[in-house]
Amino acid sequence: AQTVTQSQPEMSVQEAETVTLSCTYDTSESNYYLFWYKQPPSRQMILVIRQEAYKQQNATENRFSVNFQKAAKSFSLKISDSQLGDTAMYFCAFLPNTGNQFYFGTGTSLTVIP
Amino acid sequence: DGGITQSPKYLFRKEGQNVTLSCEQNLNHDAMYWYRQDPGQGLRLIYYSQIVNDFQKGDIAEGYSVSREKKESFPLTVTSAQKNPTAFYLCASSIGVWDRIIDEQFFGPGTRLTVL
Repeated sequence: AQTVTQSQPEMSVQEAETVTLSCTYDTSESNYYLFWYKQPPSRQMILVIRQEAYKQQNATENRFSVNFQKAAKSFSLKISDSQLGDTAMYFCAFLPNTGNQFYFGTGTSLTVIP
Repeated sequence: DGGITQSPKYLFRKEGQNVTLSCEQNLNHDAMYWYRQDPGQGLRLIYYSQIVNDFQKGDIAEGYSVSREKKESFPLTVTSAQKNPTAFYLCASSIGVWDRIIDEQFFGPGTRLTVL
């Protein structure tokens, strides 16, 4: 069975600062995909970034980057130069290469303070 | 524009009534999903379908039913057997296992169901 753990229910960061959200997962699969989704107050889920497990290079998307540690089964999200619009719930998700079921963590509520 | 639509945005029902939530996608995706979201519990999978006329139970399927008669549509029925149906429901779709190169989940805007 696959599990995804987000151990930080709430976090806050000053505008323009950097924040890191943690995510760990447990799986016996050798190949899989990892995602970070953002859910702002509108509740529309938006993909932030994705990572293929077979790629050693960490994914980046503008101010968003990940630190993927496969051996440690860790997939943290770093947000640089935080903006007020980054205030949202952030969900980490896992997808095994052998199936279609996505597994989500319980989320981290991030507040950017002006 | 391609995307996923869910209707209605807000739904009120009396206790004991069945209610059906609509989900339509025009992304030509094979896989579709229903999640329930409660405060502090993240997204919990109710049902998912990998292809037309096929679906699998998720972690909390009791009290819910689905159908997948068309590729574009995956309606969810909340039955009177669901003990605590008041929640936010999200529908999602993905290409499916056939093309992992660009697979991700796309989400609809959600339906807030309140049972009175």
